[in-house]
Amino acid sequence: DIQMTQSPSSLSASVGDRVSITCRAGQSISSFLNWYQQKPGRAPKLLIYSASSLQSGVPSRFSGSGSGTDFTLTISSLQPEDFATYYCQQSYSSPHTFGQGTNLEIK
Amino acid sequence: QLQLQESGPGLVKPSETLSLTCAVSGGSISGSGYYWGWIRQPPGKGLEWIATIYHGGTTYYHPSLKSRVTISVDTSNSQFSLKLSSVTAADTAVYYCARHLAETSSSGVAINCFDYWGQGTLVTVSS
Repeated sequence: DIQMTQSPSSLSASVGDRVSITCRAGQSISSFLNWYQQKPGRAPKLLIYSASSLQSGVPSRFSGSGSGTDFTLTISSLQPEDFATYYCQQSYSSPHTFGQGTNLEIK
Repeated sequence: QLQLQESGPGLVKPSETLSLTCAVSGGSISGSGYYWGWIRQPPGKGLEWIATIYHGGTTYYHPSLKSRVTISVDTSNSQFSLKLSSVTAADTAVYYCARHLAETSSSGVAINCFDYWGQGTLVTVSS
């Protein structure tokens, strides 16, 4: 299995801040990396697919970058509705594996 | 708008079989590049992919669960199902069904992601 490691595990930030979350794969996964947002009691929501492609309907303040083993999710200007848990997921090989999650909290 | 809805018992006894169904509406279950999957999340923990099926019947399983899991699809009723046998307390989780999109975009980008999710259903394993 390909291990996915996110950092940090938790992050405190303020509205308007620029934040970045990183995800490292245990081996090269090319660009087969997706990012999801999950709010309490809700299903995950796809934000970014294929490392850098913005899912339809997702605000442009979200962006993704990286390839190989190192990836980044960036939120350019935090909005109140962005406080949630974020997961990366590799789809390079089966079993598809997720990172442990990053909990983004209000400072 | 594609919608997915899980259904099944919320309580299963240890050693028994967990059975869930996902109803797909607002779109075709048989589209090219459309696979269908199950993901679970134990309370307070992260996400774990369980299995995926193509509408033609090809299946993919998480190796650690493969001996206990069966995924199936019923295209005529636009639904797919999950069976997990010999459950224990460790199988207590919210179970999500999702569309597993696997295709190449018009711009040549290889896509492989879970793009639509059901709301999830909590299954508790307890006597």
